[in-house]
Amino acid sequence: NAGVTQTPKFRVLKTGQSMTLLCAQDMNHEYMYWYRQDPGMGLRLIHYSVGEGTTAKGEVPDGYNVSRLKKQNFLLGLESAAPSQTSVYFCASSDTGQAGLEQYFGPGTRLTVT
Amino acid sequence: AQKVTQAQTEISVVEKEDVTLDCVYETRDTTYYLFWYKQPPSGELVFLIRRNSFDEQNEISGRYSWNFQKSTSSFNFTITASQVVDSAVYFCALRRNFNKFYFGSGTKLNVKP
Repeated sequence: NAGVTQTPKFRVLKTGQSMTLLCAQDMNHEYMYWYRQDPGMGLRLIHYSVGEGTTAKGEVPDGYNVSRLKKQNFLLGLESAAPSQTSVYFCASSDTGQAGLEQYFGPGTRLTVT
Repeated sequence: AQKVTQAQTEISVVEKEDVTLDCVYETRDTTYYLFWYKQPPSGELVFLIRRNSFDEQNEISGRYSWNFQKSTSSFNFTITASQVVDSAVYFCALRRNFNKFYFGSGTKLNVKP
C-alpha cells in the first residue's frame, strides 16, 4: 500500500495564479483532511471530507476550495494564490469509528507564492 | 476553547540524555483523544501514540514513554537515552471528533552526538 500520496511535492506560483493539489489514499478511508503547516503554528485544518461527495470547512478555509468526487481522492484548489498561502500542505485520511482515531498523513507539498 | 500548548519551542540534549517534552491541553469534553506525532527533518508526520480520556495508564514503548495526567491536563512524552535519530519536531494533538483535531505548535528536539 502506498498510503497517502500528494502531488506535487513542490510548487512555485506567482500571485494570482491558480493550482490544484491532489491527495490520494489507498486505505479505503472515509475521512480526508487538508492542513497547512506554518512555522511555529503547528498544523491548521483547512477543509475536510467525511465521505465521497461531501466537504466542509475547517479552521482556515478562506482562499481554498476542495472537492471529493471519488472516495480515494481529495483535491485542494487555490483559485487566486496569495503570498500568505505560502506554506507546507499536508493531506491526511482516517477511518471511521474507533479504528479511525488517528490520521495518516501524506508527505506534504511545499508551496511558495511569490 | 480547545487548545494544545507545547511551551518548549526547542530543546537540545546530548546523546544518551533523557528528555521530556511537555504537552498541556484544554477541553471541556469528557471524551477526547490525545496524540503524539513525530516530524523528522524529511518532513513527514509519523504517528507515535494515541490515548483516550478514560485511560490514564502510562505507556512505555522501548525508549519512549508517555505520562497522561487528567488532573493537570498534561500528556508528556519522555525519551530515555536519546539518540541522534530522535532529532525531530514533535507535535502533541487533541481530538474531539472526526473534524476537531487541534495540534500544538511543536517542540523541536535536537540530539547532539
